[in-house]
Amino acid sequence: DTAVSQTPKYLVTQMGNDKSIKCEQNLGHDTMYWYKQDSKKFLKIMFSYNNKELIINETVPNRFSPKSPDKAHLNLHINSLELGDSAVYFCASSQFQPGQETQYFGPGTRLLVL
Amino acid sequence: SQKIEQNSEALNIQEGKTATLTCNYTNYSPAYLQWYRQDPGRGPVFLLLIRENEKEKRKERLKVTFDTTLKQSLFHITASQPADSATYLCALRSSGSARQLTFGSGTQLTVLP
Repeated sequence: DTAVSQTPKYLVTQMGNDKSIKCEQNLGHDTMYWYKQDSKKFLKIMFSYNNKELIINETVPNRFSPKSPDKAHLNLHINSLELGDSAVYFCASSQFQPGQETQYFGPGTRLLVL
Repeated sequence: SQKIEQNSEALNIQEGKTATLTCNYTNYSPAYLQWYRQDPGRGPVFLLLIRENEKEKRKERLKVTFDTTLKQSLFHITASQPADSATYLCALRSSGSARQLTFGSGTQLTVLP
C-alpha cells in the first residue's frame, strides 16, 4: 500500500564505493524526483524525470546518475562516494496538474559514508 | 539571488495556543506556495497549497496566508496539540519553472503540554 517506497532505508558504506538507491511509486504519477536533505534539514532538488525523461538536473556532481526504467521507477546511482555525500536522500512523485501539483515523498534513505 | 527563509529554526509554544510560522522569499515570482510537515525519520507530507492570487486558505485547524506584496506566507495552527510537534517546510513553485519546488529550511515546532 506504500505510495512511494525507497530501498534501502539505511546505507553505510566506505568512501570510494559505488552504491544505488531504488525508488518506486504506485500512484500512477508522471513525474519523479530525487532530493538531498543535509544535516541542517535543507531539502534540495537534485533531479526530476517526467515520463522517463530528465526535466530537472540541478548542479550535482556527475558521480550521481539517475535512471528511470519506467514511469514508476527512478533509481539513483552514486559512484566514488565521498564523505560529503552523507545525507538523507528522498524520492518523490507528482502528477502534472496546473496550479495544484503536490509532491508525495518516500521515507528516505539515510546514507552514511565512512 | 533567490532565497526562501523560514523565520526561526525552532519554535516552542504551549498547548492550546496558536502557532504562527513565517516563510519569506526574495527574487521569486511564485505561481503557488505549499506547506509540508516532516516528522523525524520520515519524508515530508503535503498540508496546504495557496496560489499567488489567493489571500488565505484553511483546512481544519490550519490556515495559510499569502501576501505577494510582502513576499511572505504565514502558517497558523490553532488550538495546537503536542501531536502537532514536527518540522514545517514551506515550498515555492516559481512561474515558468520546470515544475520545480524550492524548499525553505524548515521550522521545528514543539507544542508543550
